[in-house]
Amino acid sequence: EEQLVQSGAEVRKPGESLKISCKATGYNFLNYWIGWVRQMPGKGLEWMGIIYPADSDTRYGPSFQGLVTISADESISTAYLQWSSLEASDTAVYYCASLSGHYDSSGSFYGYFDLWGRGTPVTVSP
Amino acid sequence: EIVMTQSPGTLSVSPGERATLSCRASQSFSSNLAWYQQRPGQAPRLLIYDASTRATGIPARFSGSGSGPEFTLTISSLQSEDFAVYYCQQYNSWPWTFGLGTKVEIK
Repeated sequence: EEQLVQSGAEVRKPGESLKISCKATGYNFLNYWIGWVRQMPGKGLEWMGIIYPADSDTRYGPSFQGLVTISADESISTAYLQWSSLEASDTAVYYCASLSGHYDSSGSFYGYFDLWGRGTPVTVSP
Repeated sequence: EIVMTQSPGTLSVSPGERATLSCRASQSFSSNLAWYQQRPGQAPRLLIYDASTRATGIPARFSGSGSGPEFTLTISSLQSEDFAVYYCQQYNSWPWTFGLGTKVEIK
């Protein structure tokens, strides 16, 4: 069964670092883009960024560029989202999701999130 | 950045009735649009991709239509489990963007 298993809830203080994980099982992790989506309390979904594990090609949403790092370890089929210095505004649920889609003739990828993890709640509070 | 505007913000519908949700893009594109359902306390679930293709396991009462800039998600006969928040998302150009969602509530 295809599944994304996310790491558990985290509580941190402002200024601390954090790395959360998302382990893929039941499908070929290398050959599917995988991404992260933020949901702040009571709010909608925000696309953070995606990574292609086979070559680590990574794209970030402009609101998240430089603020988070997305990475992947193909040896353990796991994607990561990390912060070097958290802020209170990072309090949210973070979902990982794998993508399906298509490529155009120039090699650009057009994808939608078709398999979701259950989410990792992150609380940042003094 | 393409802005996705969903309407209405909240839709009150009785069980068994039809629900029509709209999603308008700030720029026109063909069909690179997905719809997701999020029930309270759960992760989102893919319903529709490529504007009109149902994802695996999605009941036939869910249908998507339209092309840029206007897209529609229709739920033909609402069941109790369909009361949720629905999001559209464009994947036509970077950065991919979500709408703010439409909450479908019991009337």
